[in-house]
Amino acid sequence: GAGVSQSPRYKVAKRGQDVALRCDPISGHVSLFWYQQALGQGPEFLTYFQNEAQLDKSGLPSDRFFAERPEGSVSTLKIQRTQQEDSAVYLCASSPAGGRSYNEQFFGPGTRLTVL
Amino acid sequence: AQKVTQAQTEISVVEKEDVTLDCVYETRDTTYYLFWYKQPPSGELVFLIRRNSFDEQNEISGRYSWNFQKSTSSFNFTITASQVVDSAVYFCALSREYGNKLVFGAGTILRVKS
Repeated sequence: GAGVSQSPRYKVAKRGQDVALRCDPISGHVSLFWYQQALGQGPEFLTYFQNEAQLDKSGLPSDRFFAERPEGSVSTLKIQRTQQEDSAVYLCASSPAGGRSYNEQFFGPGTRLTVL
Repeated sequence: AQKVTQAQTEISVVEKEDVTLDCVYETRDTTYYLFWYKQPPSGELVFLIRRNSFDEQNEISGRYSWNFQKSTSSFNFTITASQVVDSAVYFCALSREYGNKLVFGAGTILRVKS
């Protein structure tokens, strides 16, 4: 079966542009996560959805970051007025169930965002 | 607050050597989960193992083994007879019982030379 897919794989934006990053989770997975991975660092949590509900957005670094999952499947992470410090790899992960953290998260290949 | 420390930034070994990757964590929770993920050059994180805080049994899977010690808050990962294909970045991660978000360490780059 298909894994988690993300598009685009690479995105170059000029400072101040808006960008939208897409995540297609594994079909039927309830939970969806976004992480930000700066160069040479571990991934850092941004936000978490259980179906269409955004249950945790504590990791979003500023109000320029916005995520949605309107129908409980595909998710979009939008960054408005991009800044150079937004340059990173954005990872999406999905998990088959919600609730307890026991479940393995399946990661996509990431979108590498470069802001010039 | 939860925190994961991987003190080894980079390790280089020669093929067939054994190598241990260290992971130390901090949490005030009594129930939590620990994970190891592998990130090859392709970038996709690959799940290796999960452990809950009540299960301190060590685990072996082929050439991989894990040593979980609550007394020292450590969850170390050993690769026996390393191979070039083991070259990757390895991340240790921690999550609370509920909430699902993973807190990752900074990762250890493992280079296995032939």
